[in-house]
Order: sequence, then C-alpha cells, then structure tokens
Amino acid sequence: GEDVEQSLFLSVREGDSSVINCTYTDSSSTYLYWYKQEPGAGLQLLTYIFSNMDMKQDQRLTVLLNKKDKHLSLRIADTQTGDSAIYFCAEKNSGYALNFGKGTSLLVTP
Amino acid sequence: DARVTQTPRHKVTEMGQEVTMRCQPILGHNTVFWYRQTMMQGLELLAYFRNRAPLDDSGMPKDRFSAEMPDATLATLKIQPSEPRDSAVYFCASGPLDEGNTEAFFGQGTRLTVV
Repeated sequence: GEDVEQSLFLSVREGDSSVINCTYTDSSSTYLYWYKQEPGAGLQLLTYIFSNMDMKQDQRLTVLLNKKDKHLSLRIADTQTGDSAIYFCAEKNSGYALNFGKGTSLLVTP
Repeated sequence: DARVTQTPRHKVTEMGQEVTMRCQPILGHNTVFWYRQTMMQGLELLAYFRNRAPLDDSGMPKDRFSAEMPDATLATLKIQPSEPRDSAVYFCASGPLDEGNTEAFFGQGTRLTVV
C-alpha cells in the first residue's frame, strides 16, 4: 500500500514550539489528518486539511501542506506537558479508510 | 455524549482459544473500521464496513479472523484460533463518511494478550 512516514520521537521544552513532520506517497490523497493518542486511549482527531489547501490554523495548532513534495507538518505553539502523546499522520484517498503513519512520540519536558 | 464503545477493554487468553471483540459505533454512522495497533507495525487497517456491508477486509488474515456487522449497532471481530502474534490493541472506529465528511471517531480499544 501507499506509505505514510513520520519520525518516531521528538522532545521539546515546555513553552517551545513543536513541529512534527510527515511525508506520504499517495498523490491522490484528498484529506490529510493529525490524530493524537494519549497512553491507554484511542485516537483523537486534532485537525485535518483538504488537499487543495496549504495551511490551516486552529488555536495552537498549525498544519502546513506541501502537496508538491507530499509533506505535511503539525506545529504546536507554546507546547505544554499535556501535549505529550503520540501524534499520528494519516491520509485518505478516494476510498473511505485512513492510512496511518507509525506515529511520533512527543515528549514535553519542564 | 456520543462515542464508540468497545468491549472488552482487556482480554488475556490462551493460544488456540476463540476471541470475540465487540464494537458499538456511534448511532447514525455509516462506516465502521477495525484497526490493529502494534509497536512494530503501527496502525494497520484490518477491515471496514459501509452501511453494514464489508467493503475491504484485505488487511485481515482470512484463515483465522472474521469481521461482521449483524446490525447497525454492533460490529464484531473474531479470532479463531488465536495465536501469540495476535497480541495487540484492536481499535474500532466509526464515521459518517461521505464525499464531504471525513472524520473517523475511535473507541478506546481492546488490548488482547494471547499467551
């Protein structure tokens, strides 16, 4: 199947910005997503972006999409310890299922 | 508040036993997914249903896994016989997915351990 790649770990200090990156290979992706998973919990949708957009902002979250390079990023401003979690990038093409990356573990240190 | 409910939350079973995991999707959602999460493979799509009809189960080992939706309020994933390599967290997700609606809501998962 098509691949979604993410780096596995990211560590930032509280108050700094976090940037989590993702690349995908499916050029027919229509929507791209960011999900958050806290320990022992399911995945929670944070935000998504339609493939004809290049930026979406939602409070502390900014999503940037470079469709030419098939690169998606999630920026979290003023990162807090409660933001520590695994963040998953996912893409959806013309089908209904989401294809996920392996997740980036974000550790926020005081 | 509406949410996807999975039971059981945890299951420990012996190799060779049958395991049934259940999912109650959010009322009104027409698409139900089963995903498996492991450290090595991440999140893998096992199967999904749309309007209760199976659309894709290519991610599922056919010889031992089966997925059904006996009605709109219940989806089941069965493993028979179970093997230690099936140990994982199994997630159900549902969504009102159509051309313009894209969000899938996840349950808390069933953590399966096969010993």
